[in-house]
Amino acid sequence: DVKVTQSSRYLVKRTGEKVFLECVQDMDHENMFWYRQDPGLGLRLIYFSYDVKMKEKGDIPEGYSVSREKKERFSLILESASTNQTSMYLCASSFSGQGARGNTIYFGEGSWLTVV
Amino acid sequence: GQNIDQPTEMTATEGAIVQINCTYQTSGFNGLFWYQQHAGEAPTFLSYNVLDGLEEKGRFSSFLSRSKGYSYLLLKELQMKDSASYLCAGGYSGNTPLVFGKGTRLSVIA
Repeated sequence: DVKVTQSSRYLVKRTGEKVFLECVQDMDHENMFWYRQDPGLGLRLIYFSYDVKMKEKGDIPEGYSVSREKKERFSLILESASTNQTSMYLCASSFSGQGARGNTIYFGEGSWLTVV
Repeated sequence: GQNIDQPTEMTATEGAIVQINCTYQTSGFNGLFWYQQHAGEAPTFLSYNVLDGLEEKGRFSSFLSRSKGYSYLLLKELQMKDSASYLCAGGYSGNTPLVFGKGTRLSVIA
């Protein structure tokens, strides 16, 4: 079974703090993704990566950065957390390529971040 | 960009059949995914359609019409545990990430 593990399930941080959300996958997937999910807005893509040390901006990258130093690990960084970043954050991964194999993404359990 | 449209909410009765529709933009389209997401949990993969027609998998079936830019997820013999959000997602060419709809929240009532 594909395993995507997010290091923290629930976090409470203060405004202005630097926040790290870690994600590890064990299926040797090339692609990794960070989404946030908010009621009424659905899943929104923050950043993604198709290879080590590579990153691409998604639809809402402002206020976030990412790091991919190893293939299995993709970190989301909030440089200075703000209350509007309170959300559920989902990490996901997939193989590269087209079709079902390349496009089927597998999600981690999610990290609920509250910024106060 | 590519838009994926699906209804926001639906309600159906236990034991009944429900159809959740999804429309998408056809330009560069590769395939259509359905994911299920229970409240507070991560989305899980349900189905993938690339060819026209109906794919059946137990109580769940998914249909695709490439020419019409239309898909639906059919759930039969509804159970209370089917209460969840159902996400439609389109795969497009150019090695781009999946495009997700906002999800349809299905409530199954007794």
